[in-house]
Amino acid sequence: DIQMTQVPSTLSASVGDTVTITCRASQTTYRWLAWFQQKPGQAPKILIYKASTLQSGVPSRFSGSGSETEFTLTISNLQPDDFATYYCQQYTSYPITFGQGTKLEIK
Amino acid sequence: EVLLVESGGALVKPGGSLRLSCAASGFTFKNASMTWVRQAPGKGPEWIGHIKRTIDGGTTDYPAAVRGRFTISRDDSKNTLYLQMNSLKTEDTAVYYCTTRWVVWGQGTLVIVSS
Repeated sequence: DIQMTQVPSTLSASVGDTVTITCRASQTTYRWLAWFQQKPGQAPKILIYKASTLQSGVPSRFSGSGSETEFTLTISNLQPDDFATYYCQQYTSYPITFGQGTKLEIK
Repeated sequence: EVLLVESGGALVKPGGSLRLSCAASGFTFKNASMTWVRQAPGKGPEWIGHIKRTIDGGTTDYPAAVRGRFTISRDDSKNTLYLQMNSLKTEDTAVYYCTTRWVVWGQGTLVIVSS
């Protein structure tokens, strides 16, 4: 199984800041990597797929980069609605696996 | 409107069985591969299986944690996805979601396995 590790686990930031979350895979996922946002009591919401392709309707302040085993999610100009938990997911091979999550908190 | 609605969650004893349903509307269900995902309290999402379109053979795949205990099926005539869960364990306690293409998700249904 491909293990996904996210850093940091928790991130404190203020509205207007730019933050970066890193996701590392235990083996190459090429660019078959997605990012999800989840708020309490809600289903995950896909933000980015294929490492850097923005899902339709997702604000352009979200961006993804990386390949092989290291990926980043960057959120620019943080808005109040962005404070949530973020997960990376590899879909290179089965089983599909997720990172453990990064909780983005208001400073 | 594209919609997925899960149902069937309940409190069940260890070793018991449960069948979840996911009713789809607003899209051509028979043309969609479907996935089940669960999320234990305070944990991240966990993929627990998928089923391909019937035209693609309707084949299924599962992670080791549920293989042999869980079975995914679909009834295209009813636009409904199913998850049959047998030999339930306390660690199966979670909110269970269905999703298609990881874009459309249901609201989830809670399964609690406890004596």
